[in-house]
Amino acid sequence: DGGITQSPKYLFRKEGQNVTLSCEQNLNHDAMYWYRQDPGQGLRLIYYSQIVNDFQKGDIAEGYSVSREKKESFPLTVTSAQKNPTAFYLCASSIVILANHEQFFGPGTRLTVL
Amino acid sequence: QKEVEQNSGPLSVPEGAIASLNCTYSDRGSQSFFWYRQYSGKSPELIMSIYSNGDKEDGRFTAQLNKASQYVSLLIRDSQPSDSATYLCAVSRAGTALIFGKGTTLSVSS
Repeated sequence: DGGITQSPKYLFRKEGQNVTLSCEQNLNHDAMYWYRQDPGQGLRLIYYSQIVNDFQKGDIAEGYSVSREKKESFPLTVTSAQKNPTAFYLCASSIVILANHEQFFGPGTRLTVL
Repeated sequence: QKEVEQNSGPLSVPEGAIASLNCTYSDRGSQSFFWYRQYSGKSPELIMSIYSNGDKEDGRFTAQLNKASQYVSLLIRDSQPSDSATYLCAVSRAGTALIFGKGTTLSVSS
C-alpha cells in the first residue's frame, strides 16, 4: 500500500524547544517537499529536495532545517529560531521535480506552541 | 514575485448546479496546472491536472486552461454536498516547485 506517512498527527512544543516532524514515502519518488499552512492561507514552501543528500530552501526556510539521508525520508526540524511555528505542516512528494509530475501529500502534522 | 490568485469565496451553489472555480497566474513560463481539494482539517488531494490549452474532463470535473490569458478554471457538474471543501490551484514551470493559490471555499447546499 503505497503512500506518504507523517508523524505525529498532533505535536505540542514548548517555547525554546526544537521538534522534528517525520515524513516517509514508499512511492519511490525522488522529490520531497515541506509546506506550511496557516488558517485561511495557501501552502508556503519551506524546503524541498530533489535527490538524496541535497535540498534547497523554499520561501520561508528561516527557523527550519531538514535532512535527506535516505530517498524515503525527509524529516523537518522546527527550531527555537522559528518565532511563530504554530501551523499545519504538510509533506509531499513527486516522481521528480519537473513539470508535468504530480505532487502528492501526506496527512499532515498539526504543531501547536504552548 | 510569481503569484497564483484565487477568489477566496465562499462560493455557494445549490445541489445539482455547476460550480465554477477560477485561478489566474502571473508567470507566463508556467507549464503545469493542478487543482487540489482540501477538506477542513485534512491534507490536499489532487483531483485534476492540465498541461495544454483547452478542456480536460474527468467524471464530474472539467479543468480549462487558457495560457494566453493566464487563466485556469475548474468546473464541477452536478455539485454534491460532499464537494464542499476548499479548492487550491497550483502552478509550476519545469524544474521548480509548485506555487499555490490561497484557495476558494465551495459550499454546496442540499
